[in-house]
Amino acid sequence: DVKVTQSSRYLVKRTGEKVFLECVQDMDHENMFWYRQDPGLGLRLIYFSYDVKMKEKGDIPEGYSVSREKKERFSLILESASTNQTSMYLCASSSPGQYNSPLHFGNGTRLTVT
Amino acid sequence: AQSVTQPDIHITVSEGASLELRCNYSYGATPYLFWYVQSPGQGLQLLLKYFSGDTLVQGIKGFEAEFKRSQSSFNLRKPSVHWSDAAEYFCAVGGTSGTYKYIFGTGTRLKVLA
Repeated sequence: DVKVTQSSRYLVKRTGEKVFLECVQDMDHENMFWYRQDPGLGLRLIYFSYDVKMKEKGDIPEGYSVSREKKERFSLILESASTNQTSMYLCASSSPGQYNSPLHFGNGTRLTVT
Repeated sequence: AQSVTQPDIHITVSEGASLELRCNYSYGATPYLFWYVQSPGQGLQLLLKYFSGDTLVQGIKGFEAEFKRSQSSFNLRKPSVHWSDAAEYFCAVGGTSGTYKYIFGTGTRLKVLA
């Protein structure tokens, strides 16, 4: 079974802090994704990566950046956290080379910015 | 623009009753369609997927879904709901525009009455 692990289940940070959310997958997937989940809005794509050091902006990249130095690890960075970034963040991965590959999700990180 | 609509935000059913969750999509080509389930405090888990072929697809946990091109729908069904089915359900279109991007609906939260 694919395992996608997000390093923190809950995080509380202060406004202006730089925040790192870490995600690791163990199935050699090339594709990795960061989503944000908010009530009534569903899942919105922040960034995705289809290979090491490769990234593409999703639908809501503003205020975020990402890092993919190793295939198994995909980090989401909030450069200067703001209260409107309080949310549930979900990492996912999928098999390489197939647009229709199902996503495998981590358990999420609930971030609160005060 | 491509979109996925889940018209029911909340649904309540009694244990043992049948269930149908609605999903409508807007997409020009043949879509890759998915249903995911999210239990409280967890990430999303794939229930089933449709790519082509038989329009009735079977998934895990006794769920099935039917693709109806004429209605642009992909409704999820279960003949007899169990209390453990209480969760949030997301419909998604994958591989849109020849990319790895998915479009998710806003979710339907299912409550099961004992």
